[in-house]
Amino acid sequence: ETGVTQSPTHLIKTRGQQVTLRCSSQSGHNTVSWYQQALGQGPQFIFQYYREEENGRGNFPPRFSGLQFPNYSSELNVNALELDDSALYLCASSRGTGGPLEQYFGPGTRLTVT
Amino acid sequence: SQQGEEDPQALSIQEGENATMNCSYKTSINNLQWYRQNSGRGLVHLILIRSNEREKHSGRLRVTLDTSKKSSSLLITASRAADTASYFCATEYGNKLVFGAGTILRVKS
Repeated sequence: ETGVTQSPTHLIKTRGQQVTLRCSSQSGHNTVSWYQQALGQGPQFIFQYYREEENGRGNFPPRFSGLQFPNYSSELNVNALELDDSALYLCASSRGTGGPLEQYFGPGTRLTVT
Repeated sequence: SQQGEEDPQALSIQEGENATMNCSYKTSINNLQWYRQNSGRGLVHLILIRSNEREKHSGRLRVTLDTSKKSSSLLITASRAADTASYFCATEYGNKLVFGAGTILRVKS
């Protein structure tokens, strides 16, 4: 198991609500990336945070936003939830942003939007 | 859309047999990685192969990379029931990984 933790494990929300997911990175890692994995699909890159700044974003609307804290933990916020937001949300930590991108994934948060 | 495409989508074998999964991608890459995912949980990094490497081994895993064909394969030898999982290839673009849809491997004991 990696040293990356995520909370909560499962979450059920209603369409239109807002949700915050949390991730603690592995010790020594200063970069956190967030991915969305729909059922039966591979993970899709949402965005990355490096030293508390957004460092790249995938094809996701602005209602997906994030934060990284001085201890390198991170939050993913999703506003105005839609049914299609139901997915497994994975965070991954890594060391720096250069070189081979070997990422260590957390166990994920399963979000269900009804 | 996803960069990598794994083939087959699903694979069912007997314990002790070898399992081969293939991955194709569309554009030039720096590195290609393989990950395993058990039961919709987090991904576990298996192996990374650089674009200037053709083959790499790690325990029972063997990965090949053919940049001229833009393809990679993952071979798991002497499979075990514990190898049952989804396997994904991921290509590296800048600071992000782009995953394929994965191959579901079932190893029957």
